[in-house]
Amino acid sequence: ETGVTQSPTHLIKTRGQQVTLRCSSQSGHNTVSWYQQALGQGPQFIFQYYREEENGRGNFPPRFSGLQFPNYSSELNVNALELDDSALYLCASSLVPTGFETQYFGPGTRLLVL
Amino acid sequence: GDSVTQMEGPVTLSEEAFLTINCTYTATGYPSLFWYVQYPGEGLQLLLKATKADDKGSNKGFEATYRKETTSFHLEKGSVQVSDSAVYFCARIIQGAQKLVFGQGTRLTINP
Repeated sequence: ETGVTQSPTHLIKTRGQQVTLRCSSQSGHNTVSWYQQALGQGPQFIFQYYREEENGRGNFPPRFSGLQFPNYSSELNVNALELDDSALYLCASSLVPTGFETQYFGPGTRLLVL
Repeated sequence: GDSVTQMEGPVTLSEEAFLTINCTYTATGYPSLFWYVQYPGEGLQLLLKATKADDKGSNKGFEATYRKETTSFHLEKGSVQVSDSAVYFCARIIQGAQKLVFGQGTRLTINP
């Protein structure tokens, strides 16, 4: 087991730019969920991918999009960055979509938008 | 809508003190409830859970009881250690959706 890894660890962008964040799942996990954690707040659900298909989405605009690959790794893409997108972005993998008890979180990518 | 509310922090205690972090939820039905912990520089870790009313979750000396009468899931520990310093999040499942809803987190600092 290698755990959930995310890259990069830190990133600085300017308003209007685009960013791609990456997540490698725990071995054997086919589900990935992405969360946004603003400073001093709890994580907020962005979306979930299960077997390469989006399987649920939170209240985030379409400029937040994702992909899941055949090896179950995942990307989060954010277009037209806004200052409020500055946050810690967490991914979590699990065995099944509702497998919260088997869900492992990565350490996150901290994004700063200037 | 369905939400989770935690006591505001930060909370600072001395080693071996008793800890309570309050958590209440609004919900229809009886959602599964969780406590997560986030140590500095690490990802969120599931600390404990309870899936139905009157269940008690426990792990690493921490306990929380699912109380439907008060819609609460308070986290307790009888004797905290410096290593318990972290941010603690209460969370619940949204019924029918594949997601967790988190409280805003409570930062706990334990002084030796």
